Amino acid sequence: QKEVEQNSGPLSVPEGAIASLNCTYSDRGSQSFFWYRQYSGKSPELIMSIYSNGDKEDGRFTAQLNKASQYVSLLIRDSQPSDSATYLCAVNMGGGSYIPTFGRGTSLIVHP
Amino acid sequence: DTAVSQTPKYLVTQMGNDKSIKCEQNLGHDTMYWYKQDSKKFLKIMFSYNNKELIINETVPNRFSPKSPDKAHLNLHINSLELGDSAVYFCASSPRDQEQFFGPGTRLTVL
Repeated sequence: QKEVEQNSGPLSVPEGAIASLNCTYSDRGSQSFFWYRQYSGKSPELIMSIYSNGDKEDGRFTAQLNKASQYVSLLIRDSQPSDSATYLCAVNMGGGSYIPTFGRGTSLIVHP
Repeated sequence: DTAVSQTPKYLVTQMGNDKSIKCEQNLGHDTMYWYKQDSKKFLKIMFSYNNKELIINETVPNRFSPKSPDKAHLNLHINSLELGDSAVYFCASSPRDQEQFFGPGTRLTVL
C-alpha cells in the first residue's frame, strides 16, 4: 500500500513565526513531490513542486526533500493569518505512475 | 478564461437518482482526473484519463463512470446515488507527471 502521511494538526503558530509542515511517503521510487494549499470551501492550489533532493525556495515558502529518509517538508517564513489553510502533500509514486497520492493534509492556523 | 471548470457547483438530489458532473479544461493538458473529498477532507483519486484512455480506476464502485468525449473534457456520471456519495468532487488536469490544476469543485448532497 503506497501511503503519504501527514500530521493532521491543527498546527498553530503566531503571526511572523516559521511554520513547518512535514510529510513522509512509503514508496522509495517516488519521483515528484508537491505541496498544495486548500482554503475552506475552495479547491487545492499548488504552492510548491520539488523533484530533487535539497531545498527549493519561492518567496516565503521553502520545500525540502530528503529521498533517503523519504520525507518532504514545507517551511513558511513570516507566517501570516492569510496562510491559515489546510496544506496537502502529494507524491507521484514510482513505476511510471502519473497519479499522485495525497496525504490527509495538515491544518495550519496562524494567529495574530 | 477559467483553466478548469466544473458544472454544476452544487447538486442536491434524492437517493437512487442518476446524475452527471461535467468538467472542461482549456490548458491543453494530457491527463484529467476526478477526485472525491469527503467530510474529513481526505482527497481520494477516483479516475484518471490520459489522451482519452482510462489509466487508473481506484476501487470505485461501478455506479461511477467517467466519460471523455475529447481531450479537454472528462465528465462523471453516477448511477443510483447513495447517501455515502455525498461529498465534494473535484476535477483536475495536469501535464504528465507534473502539478495538478483543480476545478472549483461540485458539492453533491444526496438526501
